[in-house]
Amino acid sequence: KNEVEQSPQNLTAQEGEFITINCSYSVGISALHWLQQHPGGGIVSLFMLSSGKKKHGRLIATINIQEKHSSLHITASHPRDSAVYICAGPNFGNEKLTFGTGTRLTIIP
Amino acid sequence: DTGVSQDPRHKITKRGQNVTFRCDPISEHNRLYWYRQTLGQGPEFLTYFQNEAQLEKSRLLSDRFSAERPKGSFSTLEIQRTEQGDSAMYLCASGTTTGEQYFGPGTRLTVT
Repeated sequence: KNEVEQSPQNLTAQEGEFITINCSYSVGISALHWLQQHPGGGIVSLFMLSSGKKKHGRLIATINIQEKHSSLHITASHPRDSAVYICAGPNFGNEKLTFGTGTRLTIIP
Repeated sequence: DTGVSQDPRHKITKRGQNVTFRCDPISEHNRLYWYRQTLGQGPEFLTYFQNEAQLEKSRLLSDRFSAERPKGSFSTLEIQRTEQGDSAMYLCASGTTTGEQYFGPGTRLTVT
């Protein structure tokens, strides 16, 4: 069992739909990262959060520390949101990241 | 652009050759991480530095791998006697003690 698990693994939606990607973790972490990776591209950090909710544009991330669960939401999805979204938990102390396997999101125009 | 650069972006090498990758982190960041990502998988931790000290190495890092961060600035990752199983994207991340990490564009290694 992976220490960080994501669901779904793949998600295809129509443009404009509300998207939710879930992340559950069993490791002790100091915060949770949401990352975005485009095909062949590097990784961009979207959020780092340790409690509550953060919002950036059409992206919203929430975390429930007690339940060890986080969600990434995309409102009014757009084809340019198509990417792999990865959640990752940094270990206490050294902050090295343990990554989920990613969710491949495809938004169809 | 995150401010973290990696060189080269792509490397094709023959099995048995040595390769070296470089990462230039954000200058004021004291932490530097190397991760490896194979096709279709999430990244995996390889090693990390705080300033010039290499503080942790993953069991994934066999004795053919060595990493350095002289003077606590740029870092190099060398793979000796490359094998086909080394083919992957090698990612560098620059970080602070608050936990934020900024990733470079990665170096994609193909071993033929």
